[in-house]
Amino acid sequence: KQEVTQIPAALSVPEGENLVLNCSFTDSAIYNLQWFRQDPGKGLTSLLLIQSSQREQTSGRLNASLDKSSGRSTLYIAASQPGDSATYLCAGGLVGGSEKLVFGKGTKLTVNP
Amino acid sequence: NAGVMQNPRHLVRRRGQEARLRCSPMKGHSHVYWYRQLPEEGLKFMVYLQKENIIDESGMPKERFSAEFPKEGPSILRIQQVVRGDSAAYFCASSTRDKWYEQYFGPGTRLTVT
Repeated sequence: KQEVTQIPAALSVPEGENLVLNCSFTDSAIYNLQWFRQDPGKGLTSLLLIQSSQREQTSGRLNASLDKSSGRSTLYIAASQPGDSATYLCAGGLVGGSEKLVFGKGTKLTVNP
Repeated sequence: NAGVMQNPRHLVRRRGQEARLRCSPMKGHSHVYWYRQLPEEGLKFMVYLQKENIIDESGMPKERFSAEFPKEGPSILRIQQVVRGDSAAYFCASSTRDKWYEQYFGPGTRLTVT
């Protein structure tokens, strides 16, 4: 059974700091790994999608990496801004016919001005 | 191209009533997924449907919950005889047939059972 864990559960940083959010999964038979952003009371916004054949994806100040062998993914946020404050969720798509995403509980990020 | 639409956005029901949550997928998407987010928890898969067909309902509670995606109209998640533990945010996602892993999420329906 695939389980996804995110550490830390919450993180508070000053504006301008570079930071890393961690995601680990128990089963390396993962089809892809996706990072989402969720604002309070809102839906999910997809940030980056990494296919199993890829090692990383970049979009603006965001960089996500995937290491299937160690069962880990990281989301790197450069030069953080107060507008980055949100909950960040990672989700793995499973190999083997189970077409669903398995989510971690998220990391709640607060960027202080 | 409108995104995934869900309604209502907020729903309040008393214990024992029925809740009906609706989801219209993105244009061109044939697959619909329902996820539930309990307070302080991550999203949990409930059910995956194509038009007129339930593909995987392994995450659905065995009783009181049902889902459909008719040939015409939105997908509906139905909860009968709601209890306080059903209070949660229910998210719908959609995808194309070939790219099931690229799921686009709606804004969610927040169900409160009083």
